[in-house]
Amino acid sequence: DTEVTQTPKHLVMGMTNKKSLKCEQHMGHRAMYWYKQKAKKPPELMFVYSYEKLSINESVPSRFSPECPNSSLLNLHLHALQPEDSALYLCASSQDRREIYGYTFGSGTRLTVV
Amino acid sequence: AQKVTQAQTEISVVEKEDVTLDCVYETRDTTYYLFWYKQPPSGELVFLIRRNSFDEQNEISGRYSWNFQKSTSSFNFTITASQVVDSAVYFCALSEATNFIYNQGGKLIFGQGTELSVKP
Repeated sequence: DTEVTQTPKHLVMGMTNKKSLKCEQHMGHRAMYWYKQKAKKPPELMFVYSYEKLSINESVPSRFSPECPNSSLLNLHLHALQPEDSALYLCASSQDRREIYGYTFGSGTRLTVV
Repeated sequence: AQKVTQAQTEISVVEKEDVTLDCVYETRDTTYYLFWYKQPPSGELVFLIRRNSFDEQNEISGRYSWNFQKSTSSFNFTITASQVVDSAVYFCALSEATNFIYNQGGKLIFGQGTELSVKP
């Protein structure tokens, strides 16, 4: 299995809702990532998990809460989002060592906040 | 700090033309990795190539070729005989090996992207 699977593919949520994005990989990768991508912009790193521990938080607002319950699963919990948080959210994974062979990206969740 | 610059925001060519996408990077690491990704309108990021900092050999894969020059910190991408299916946004990206030393995972940082439009 050489894929990163993200669910749901599309999500519409109100500003008072709580929702979660899910990401799963079975490649044995021990580093997992969340990226946010606005239209016509590059992906921006949000969080990095290494061996199920949060290692990098790129000053992301607390309304985004990541979780890594095990080595295959990465969640992003969303609460009280703003319309400007509407974007494509991409999950990725990689080996966690100096010689890396690539980052595998999921197909993303298109989030719309209304 | 790591940085990637893709100066060309948009490029438009006619089918069968050759086109080169430029990428310039900045890093203080001696070991780093450079990538090119393709993002079609559907949104997924498609991996094209990875190059480590110790391997300056150019690479060719079908109609795609890459020119890595450490002296100018550039990693340019050429599509030969472009086709309509090549229309997409192309991202150059950089990851520094130092990020992995303390089990911190790797920060993959992207350039701004070049939107390539190939017209029939």
